[in-house]
Parts: sequence; C-alpha cells; structure tokens
Amino acid sequence: LAKTTQPPSMEAYEGQEVNVSCSHTNIATSEYIYWYRQVPHQGPQFIIQGYKDYVVNEVASLFISADRKLSTLSLPWVSLRDAAVYYCIVTASNMGYKLTFGTGTSLLVDP
Amino acid sequence: EAAVTQSPRNKVTVTGGNVTLSCRQTNSHNYMYWYRQDTGHGLRLIHYSYGAGNLQIGDVPDGYKATRTTQEDFFLLLELASPSQTSLYFCASSTTGGAGQNTLYFGAGTRLSVL
Repeated sequence: LAKTTQPPSMEAYEGQEVNVSCSHTNIATSEYIYWYRQVPHQGPQFIIQGYKDYVVNEVASLFISADRKLSTLSLPWVSLRDAAVYYCIVTASNMGYKLTFGTGTSLLVDP
Repeated sequence: EAAVTQSPRNKVTVTGGNVTLSCRQTNSHNYMYWYRQDTGHGLRLIHYSYGAGNLQIGDVPDGYKATRTTQEDFFLLLELASPSQTSLYFCASSTTGGAGQNTLYFGAGTRLSVL
C-alpha cells in the first residue's frame, strides 16, 4: 500500500482558496486517492476521490499529477466551517473498503 | 445521507472491566468497521465485517473482539479493558461499490475511558 505525506498543518483566512497537498510517491496502478475531513467531535466525512487528472464536485476539486505521485485538494472560498483535519488516503481498488487514515493536515481558518 | 448511530457516546470503566460498544447503520450497507482514534496516530482500523456473521481482523485487533449480529448491528467488545484502550472509537459503514466507489460513513464516536 502506498504511504502518503501531507503537511501537518495549514492556516488560511476566510474567503481564501486553500490547496492541501498529498505526496504518494509509491502509488500503484490499482490504487485510488480518497480525501476525507474531520471536524472536532465528529467522525470523518468523505470529500472527494479520484484516480487521475482532475475531479470536481460541489465541495472541492482534486488535481492529480500526471505521474499520480502528487494530489492536491482545493477548497474554494474557505469558511470557518472548513476548519478541520484533512486526510489523504491511497488504497487499492479491491481494498477500497479498508481505508488507512494517517494523521492528516490540520487546517486553521481565521476570520 | 447515510446514518450510523453509536452508543453509548461516553463510557467510563475500570481496568479489567467488560465493555460493549454498539453501532447500528440503517443504510443497508454491507461493510461495517470499528476504528480507534488517538492523538498522534490518526484513525486505526480494529475490526471490520462484510455481512452478518462475518468478521475480519483490522490493523490493531489485540484486546478487542467484535460481532456482527445483523446487517445493521456491529458490536465491539473489550472483555478485559486496559488503560491503553482509552480512546475515541468510531464505527463506520459502506457499500461494496466497484473500483474506487466505496465511501465510508462514520458515526459520531464513543469516548471510552479505562481507569
């Protein structure tokens, strides 16, 4: 299984766009990239997933480098509610049910 | 929105005590999971199940048993609780979608303290 490396923390102001990077240099061809976030006192919540190129949904966008070794989660116009720990997870498609969470990136949003 | 309900929300027990954490999902999901979360470790998978009567071992199973009695209900059992099991426990459920199609839905967590 590929390991992931994320910055431990980030800080932004409300209204800014935030880009959270995730390095997965040993990602295998069978592996997908998932992003979850966890706000205090709640369980993690799914944000977005992708395999290659660019994925977008109503919450965020995900850019995956051509070699798939780097992904970037982009959050447009962050608010105080976006303050959370963001987890990047890589796992094989046939093990998508077994997600291994690291320590994630703690995003602090200032008013 | 998928619903996963955990009980109790908080539990205090003593070393050597017997504890059962309960989880119920009403989403007809096949997979259910138990994770623990500790500062500096993120979430770690204890046990999981892909259906009633099934149990799979996760990454940190020592000291824990689990039982999936129905598709909806998944229990985590600590038969001889130790202080090292003081943690925040999360239950989750998911479908068995195809490649890359498996979203986990988490409960609100149970905070367990073993004195």
